[in-house]
Amino acid sequence: LAKTTQPISMDSYEGQEVNITCSHNNIATNDYITWYQQFPSQGPRFIIQGYKTKVTNEVASLFIPADRKSSTLSLPRVSLSDTAVYYCLVVLSSNTGKLIFGQGTTLQVKP
Amino acid sequence: ETGVTQSPTHLIKTRGQQVTLRCSSQSGHNTVSWYQQALGQGPQFIFQYYREEENGRGNFPPRFSGLQFPNYSSELNVNALELDDSALYLCASSSLAGGPVGEQYFGPGTRLTVT
Repeated sequence: LAKTTQPISMDSYEGQEVNITCSHNNIATNDYITWYQQFPSQGPRFIIQGYKTKVTNEVASLFIPADRKSSTLSLPRVSLSDTAVYYCLVVLSSNTGKLIFGQGTTLQVKP
Repeated sequence: ETGVTQSPTHLIKTRGQQVTLRCSSQSGHNTVSWYQQALGQGPQFIFQYYREEENGRGNFPPRFSGLQFPNYSSELNVNALELDDSALYLCASSSLAGGPVGEQYFGPGTRLTVT
């Protein structure tokens, strides 16, 4: 599975748009890009997944360029409650359940 | 729809002891995965159970073992506890039959402290 690289931490202010970029240079044809969110003392929560171009749901948008070697998670108008760790994962399409988590990006939203 | 639940919430054990952690999967899910999360790190995959059979294992020694029951609930057993086993243990359920690839529903975890 492709290794992912993302910033260790980011700061933002309430109301701003936050973009977290993840690098996955060795992504394979059958891999999907998946993002999870984890609050302190809770399990991770699936946010969004994409294969190429742009995916949007009620929580976030995911931008994937044509070469798929990177992706950007976009959180619109963050609030204090978006303070969490965000993990970028590459998941094989025939996923058997083994999710590979890195260290993630700790997002701190300030008032 | 009932979410993933885990018990106990917290646990303190002594080195060398054995521990059993429990997980009830989300309604309709037939697959359970277990993860270990050390402080400040991302979760690490221990193993997965599908229809009561182990269906994949991470880089953990045999003293980490598990079970899945006919109702798809699961147990994680750890023998001969070591200090480094202190961590948050997460259970995640999923259904191989549908939904986004890689979407798993995590429980709140069990915080294990080994002294």
